[in-house]
Amino acid sequence: GENVEQHPSTLSVQEGDSAVIKCTYSDSASNYFPWYKQELGKGPQLIIDIRSNVGEKKDQRIAVTLNKTAKHFSLHITETQPEDSAVYFCAARLGRSGGYQKVTFGTGTKLQVIP
Amino acid sequence: EAQVTQNPRYLITVTGKKLTVTCSQNMNHEYMSWYRQDPGLGLRQIYYSMNVEVTDKGDVPEGYKVSRKEKRNFPLILESPSPNQTSLYFCASSTQGALYGYTFGSGTRLTVV
Repeated sequence: GENVEQHPSTLSVQEGDSAVIKCTYSDSASNYFPWYKQELGKGPQLIIDIRSNVGEKKDQRIAVTLNKTAKHFSLHITETQPEDSAVYFCAARLGRSGGYQKVTFGTGTKLQVIP
Repeated sequence: EAQVTQNPRYLITVTGKKLTVTCSQNMNHEYMSWYRQDPGLGLRQIYYSMNVEVTDKGDVPEGYKVSRKEKRNFPLILESPSPNQTSLYFCASSTQGALYGYTFGSGTRLTVV
């Protein structure tokens, strides 16, 4: 089955600096890669995603890159702000015929932005 | 407002006492799933359902049951809870194929003593 590894497990950055979180996946058939942000006491919330036919996607201060050959994808947050402090999860979706899907999550990165 | 509603938010129970955590979504999503979140282990899938009356095991189904009698509801049942089921549980839903990601509930923190 699919295996998703996520690094680092914790990350501290100064406000205004950039943060990068990296994930690798094992199944080359995975075709959709969402990123979730989980604030304290809340459920994960989708913040950006990328499909396997795209190499990069950007939404304001957040960007995601995908390298299918190396089977890794990364989340980039620029100009970090204190409200970016949260746990971030990457995931990989493996779709099959008949509607079956398997979404495997990474183990999470706790990001702390220091004012 | 489009949302996934879980109840209760917090639950403390004793070993062996059957409990049900409810999950309801108002987005007409076909796909629903239960995850448990444990420190250092991320989110692990317990059960999922592709549509009404269609359910299947995820990665950690032991000790859990689910049912999908209606499209909007997907309850998680612990017939005989044990302390190793102490965890944070999330229900999630999506359109078929999850091509637009999941919508998660706010979570249920379960403690089994």
